[in-house]
Amino acid sequence: GAVVSQHPSRVICKSGTSVKIECRSLDFQATTMFWYRQFPKQSLMLMATSNEGSKATYEQGVEKDKFLINHASLTLSTLTVTSAHPEDSSFYICSARDGRGYNEQFFGPGTRLTVL
Amino acid sequence: AQSVTQPDIHITVSEGASLELRCNYSYGATPYLFWYVQSPGQGLQLLLKYFSGDTLVQGIKGFEAEFKRSQSSFNLRKPSVHWSDAAEYFCAVGEDGTDKLIFGTGTRLQVFP
Repeated sequence: GAVVSQHPSRVICKSGTSVKIECRSLDFQATTMFWYRQFPKQSLMLMATSNEGSKATYEQGVEKDKFLINHASLTLSTLTVTSAHPEDSSFYICSARDGRGYNEQFFGPGTRLTVL
Repeated sequence: AQSVTQPDIHITVSEGASLELRCNYSYGATPYLFWYVQSPGQGLQLLLKYFSGDTLVQGIKGFEAEFKRSQSSFNLRKPSVHWSDAAEYFCAVGEDGTDKLIFGTGTRLQVFP
């Protein structure tokens, strides 16, 4: 139980294009989803928190117009990187809470984004 | 503000040897503490967690961790390491009053045969 999937697992795009990453909770309803960014050999940096049906809350320093987050249902959240640039290349990881355990988050396998 | 420190960036052990990964936190009350493991290119898998009660917590894959309030520590241990344990290990603390997790910088474990 408590499986989170991400799609795609790897994406390469040209600079200036937009990329959408999906995060799905497969066997539970996710009241809250989180988006993290991980640079090579570094820790996870929380980008934003999204609750189903409401606007995402972004961490300080994260551009909300660049990283669009939509949490349209209890099983799906999407992260769209708009007008991507090479510096947006990173490993993006989502996680989801099922509302039962305090702070217990279940993590997706991540999406490797490379912007050329 | 809460924070998590993992003093060891990289640890190398021989297969079969014991392991201890250090984690120190900064928090006023009783924290919610987690250890996650990340294999190359993978997401994070929860090894164990501490919320309250017994300070020695058993997790998956033979790992355990001990919460020591006096030392503000939550070190991860395993009595005998397997080659498949080679990965990145992250300690995290639950931020008070929110759903957020604050992660340490991670410890990379290398296992030699």
